[in-house]
Amino acid sequence: DAGITQSPRHKVTETGTPVTLRCHQTENHRYMYWYRQDPGHGLRLIHYSYGVKDTDKGEVSDGYSVSRSKTEDFLLTLESATSSQTSVYFCAISRTSGGDGELFFGEGSRLTVL
Amino acid sequence: TQLLEQSPQFLSIQEGENLTVYCNSSSVFSSLQWYRQEPGEGPVLLVTVVTGGEVKKLKRLTFQFGDARKDSSLHITAAQPGDTGLYLCAGEGDSGTYKYIFGTGTRLKVLA
Repeated sequence: DAGITQSPRHKVTETGTPVTLRCHQTENHRYMYWYRQDPGHGLRLIHYSYGVKDTDKGEVSDGYSVSRSKTEDFLLTLESATSSQTSVYFCAISRTSGGDGELFFGEGSRLTVL
Repeated sequence: TQLLEQSPQFLSIQEGENLTVYCNSSSVFSSLQWYRQEPGEGPVLLVTVVTGGEVKKLKRLTFQFGDARKDSSLHITAAQPGDTGLYLCAGEGDSGTYKYIFGTGTRLKVLA
């Protein structure tokens, strides 16, 4: 158990509504990540954080924003959800200094945008 | 930006057969990781390979990192139904950024 909790685990929303997904860690690690997973695409990096208030874009960041005001929480926000953002979202942490790629994942948040 | 391509995309085999999954890139990676993901769960780290030419074994799973550190393979000997899952390779895209990218995955099904 890597001490990562994602919420909500499931959400159905309508196009145009804002959505926030939360990732909470209990282990005080510096690096946190948000990925989305879609059939045929593996995992694609949305945003990541390397410290409080320090974030950077990933491969598919358009339409998403993030915030990290505390070490333990990393929030992913869809300002105006679209059907193309229907996906399973995974949060991950790096338990080391971040340089060896060993990520530990939450259980995922399934988002459906109607 | 570096890319990781995996093959095959899907694999369905009988219990007891051997198989190899490939992870390829045109770029050099400082290390590569292999993960396995089961339905409804997040990926779980299996191994990290760091040195070119390195071979690591995890029970019936053998991982190899290419000499040039551009590719890796996962070989499973005598596959079992419990090996069923999605296998993902991953590495740091853009060295030094800590942005970890994943391959497209190989979905393995082992039939009893």
